[in-house]
Amino acid sequence: AQSVAQPEDQVNVAEGNPLTVKCTYSVSGNPYLFWYVQYPNRGLQFLLKYITGDNLVKGSYGFEAEFNKSQTSFHLKKPSALVSDSALYFCAVSFQTSGSRLTFGEGTQLTVNP
Amino acid sequence: GAVVSQHPSRVICKSGTSVKIECRSLDFQATTMFWYRQFPKQSLMLMATSNEGSKATYEQGVEKDKFLINHASLTLSTLTVTSAHPEDSSFYICSARLNNYGYTFGSGTRLTVV
Repeated sequence: AQSVAQPEDQVNVAEGNPLTVKCTYSVSGNPYLFWYVQYPNRGLQFLLKYITGDNLVKGSYGFEAEFNKSQTSFHLKKPSALVSDSALYFCAVSFQTSGSRLTFGEGTQLTVNP
Repeated sequence: GAVVSQHPSRVICKSGTSVKIECRSLDFQATTMFWYRQFPKQSLMLMATSNEGSKATYEQGVEKDKFLINHASLTLSTLTVTSAHPEDSSFYICSARLNNYGYTFGSGTRLTVV
């Protein structure tokens, strides 16, 4: 069975500092990994995904994530946080099969303090 | 980019009535759509997977007679909450699978049953 875990319920960083939101996964075979952001009472916005190729994936709004197969991790990072980055972040995983479902982590509430 | 339009964004209904939520893919054909439910400050729970022209596949514990899903065309999937009760109050989000191993999400529907 596939699963994904976000070990931190909340992450607080100061504006301008680097941020990391952690994600680890468990899946048989080769995973597709995703990061989404959700603002209050809104749907999910796509940030980035790893399918294959370079382990470092660059996405929207200056975010990036590194796929680490040995540690089964896909942590989300940004070099310099903005107050507007404050939101709920979800890591998700799916299999390399057509029509496969997305399994979401528990979510991490990121707060960037001015 | 691929857009899924979800309506209504908010709905308040009386206990015992039915509510229909629509998701339309605006610029692509959605063969597969997913319906999620999200409780406050929690992750997305997959309710069912719908494929155009066939019956939806429900997750364990989801009442198929209560949450009716119809995916009659490649651009429209609907979720009907029948005989709604206060415990059905939640945030419902639809998602469509894209061809390039991506997923796009509707903006969500806040259902309140009074």
